[in-house]
Amino acid sequence: QSALTQPASVSGSPGQSITISCTGTSSDVGGYNYVSWYQQHPGKAPKLMIYEVSNRPSGVSNRFSGSKSGNTASLTISGLQAEDEADYYCSSYTSSSTWVFGGGTKLTVL
Amino acid sequence: EVQLVESGGGLVQPGGSLRLSCAASGFTFSSYEMNWVRQAPGKGLEWVSYISSSGSTIYYADSVKGRFTISRDNAKNSLYLQMNSLRAEDTAVYYCARVAAAGRTFDYWGQGTLVTVSS
Repeated sequence: QSALTQPASVSGSPGQSITISCTGTSSDVGGYNYVSWYQQHPGKAPKLMIYEVSNRPSGVSNRFSGSKSGNTASLTISGLQAEDEADYYCSSYTSSSTWVFGGGTKLTVL
Repeated sequence: EVQLVESGGGLVQPGGSLRLSCAASGFTFSSYEMNWVRQAPGKGLEWVSYISSSGSTIYYADSVKGRFTISRDNAKNSLYLQMNSLRAEDTAVYYCARVAAAGRTFDYWGQGTLVTVSS
């Protein structure tokens, strides 16, 4: 199972919006509405931010939103804040009943 | 409060073995599916293994199949990962992660335990 494809880095200024893409195949992203997004700060464990493409867990800011079109999912963060600076990973359930992660995207808040 | 606490990491020589543990609390462990996910230094997340709530269904990533064994003891609220024939490329922080009750997402993660394979 090959890793999902994410851009290595994205950046934005405070208050702006950014979008991170996550491209897979019909065997993972395109085949299921089981795409998740995780935020990871340095030295910390990943934190769930979006599940099932577009759902936010309790306590996650509504500045975070998710969507999917075909084999590509996207995470949008609006109203960028300094604390949003972190690594972001997408993940998808697969046709093999396993999971696959993206390579990760480093978000820099300028 | 849901808590997952990994232990058992350390330095091991290539070809050696190590057993990781994940102690769960704050939820009915026997009702939840569990996974191991690892992260090599400076690299991304990699799914390693899955076990169903009863332990009857297990899956592995190709990179560890035949060398790693996942198991659980629901009476002890614990998840395990037996790692044999370790290689340098197995060096990583290993996280245990809970599968959400509904859906295919990891809703809680432990803090991780570092495994270093080196001579």
